[in-house]
Amino acid sequence: QVQLVESGGSVVQPGRSLRLSCAASKFAFSTYGIHWVRQTPGKGLEWVAVMWSDESSKYYTDSVKGRFTISRDNSKNTLYLQMNSLRAEDTAVYYCAREVGEASCYGMDVWGQGTTVTVSS
Amino acid sequence: DIQMTQSPSSVSAFVGDRVTITCRASQGIRSWLAWYQQKPGKAPKLLIYTASSLQSGVPSRFSGSGSGTDFTLTISSLQPEDSATYYCQQANSFPLTFGGGTKVEIK
Repeated sequence: QVQLVESGGSVVQPGRSLRLSCAASKFAFSTYGIHWVRQTPGKGLEWVAVMWSDESSKYYTDSVKGRFTISRDNSKNTLYLQMNSLRAEDTAVYYCAREVGEASCYGMDVWGQGTTVTVSS
Repeated sequence: DIQMTQSPSSVSAFVGDRVTITCRASQGIRSWLAWYQQKPGKAPKLLIYTASSLQSGVPSRFSGSGSGTDFTLTISSLQPEDSATYYCQQANSFPLTFGGGTKVEIK
């Protein structure tokens, strides 16, 4: 079935880096925009970034700009989130999610199971 | 950033009841609103997009309405499997933002 599977979550010290991956299957990955969304018990759901099928179009929430980079490898059907200079407040479950719309946001119709990032010394 | 405010934060109702959840945007977002259902330990599930369009496979007891700043998610006849937390999300502009959630419980 149509699926997204995240990986790469871990426990990491503040200031360190981590790369998350999101592997897609059973759909035309290269034609869809894909989001990263994170969730913490205290702050609920927080949108992090999106990359459209046009790889030049990407957007970030302010709190991760300059620290996180979203990228994709369409030949591998995989989306990435490179997270640098990690902070305690980046601790969350990170989900990747497929955008319904082709060139604008409608909603996210396919989600992964999530991968947990814990930033702690 | 556009702030999304949901009310109530929690609701408890009987099976068969009609349940209404409200979402208010801090500025107009036309019809660029989505609703999600999330059960414990699971990823969110898309229910409604563009304020009133039912996502494929979602039961017809779920409906959405509204435009501008005020939106509503209605469950017409609450079922036991509807026990979950519901979130609204604006899709009008970046950064995308979510409401704080409404927990629906079965009495």
